[in-house]
Parts: sequence; structure tokens; C-alpha cells
Amino acid sequence: EIVLTQSPATLSLSPGERATLSCRASQSVSSYLAWYQQKPGQAPRLLIYDASNRATGIPARFSGSGSGTDFTLTISSLEPEDFAVYYCQQRFTFGPGTKVDIK
Amino acid sequence: EVQLVESGGGLVQPGGSLRLSCAASGFTVSSNYMSWVRQAPGKGLEWVSVIYSGGSTYYADSVKGRFTISRHNSKNTLYLQMNSLRAEDTAVYYCARDHGDLGAFDIWGQGTMVTVSS
Repeated sequence: EIVLTQSPATLSLSPGERATLSCRASQSVSSYLAWYQQKPGQAPRLLIYDASNRATGIPARFSGSGSGTDFTLTISSLEPEDFAVYYCQQRFTFGPGTKVDIK
Repeated sequence: EVQLVESGGGLVQPGGSLRLSCAASGFTVSSNYMSWVRQAPGKGLEWVSVIYSGGSTYYADSVKGRFTISRHNSKNTLYLQMNSLRAEDTAVYYCARDHGDLGAFDIWGQGTMVTVSS
């Protein structure tokens, strides 16, 4: 069973800053990794699939990278609406999430 | 418009049963992989079950033998029958389209809350 670990648990940043979120898999998952954004009271929203492909309608400031066991979600310049919880996912396993909050 | 709308959540006593529904529009449930994902209050996401387009079903160990996923093709609706409910099943339950080609859940419903308590 694959286990996903996300770091940090919380990231405190200001609007306009760059956010770098990490997801590590317990064994190689090739490029089969997705990222989601979830705001309070809302369903998750798919951001990135296959490690680096943006889903439909996702702004270019969101980018994903990595393969094997180490993956990164980067938000190049945080907008006010980007403060949320971010989850990585590989098939039927989700990571514990990283909360991006306002510093 | 592509959309999923869940219903059927509520308060149920431990040991009780509940059936969740997820009505789809804009795409065909039976032609897609469809999953249920849940989120306990203040916690992360947990995959619960999937039904493949061919009809095969799979479950998380935490619900195996108690929950049953199914679909009604003419109603374009997904279901989750939940029996022998426990306090730890308390969560918001989301249905989601499991886009096999993307390896990701690309469409989500708004969720329905299930509370198991006496």
C-alpha cells in the first residue's frame, strides 16, 4: 500500500509570495500523482494530474513537477483566493494535506 | 453542464443504515469510473469505494462488507448503501468522477453529511 506524506503541514505566506508544497510517496508512482485544492465548506477541486498537467480552467500560476517518489506543487504568486488546503493523491490514496494560510 | 448532486445524508443511530444518491448530469455514469470519497469533520480525504464502467467494485478496508456501491443506468445515478454504521463513519460523503485516463477525480459533487450518533 502506497503512503503519501505532505510537507509542511502548514505554510504561512503573504499574497504575492511563492508557495512550494511537497508530496512524497512511499514507493515509486511514476508520474501518476494529482493535486487538489479545497476551501472550507467546498468540495475538492482538481488542479494537477499526471504530476505536471493543469486541469481545465486552472490558472498558470499553479504548476506541478516530479516523478517517482518526490513531487512538488508550486504556486508562483499567491492570490487571496489561493489560501486553502492542498492534497496530493495517487489512485485511492490521499496525502494528509498542506494548509496554506495568510501570514 | 457537467454536475454531480448528492443526497440522502442525515443523522442515523449506530448500527443503522443509510443510502446515499449521486445524480449526474452532462455525462453518463455507466461509461465512467465513479467513486465515493469521504471527509470526517476537520480531517483529510479518504477514498471509500469505486465502481468501474464494466461493473467491478472495490472498497476501502474500513467499509468492506458494510457498504455497497451501485448505479442505476437509466437514472444516471450512483448510490452508496451504508449498513452497520459506526460513529467513525461520520463524515461528508462526496461522489466523484474517477477519470481513469487522468488518474484523478475530475468532477466532484457538493457532498452530503452523514452523522452516526445516538
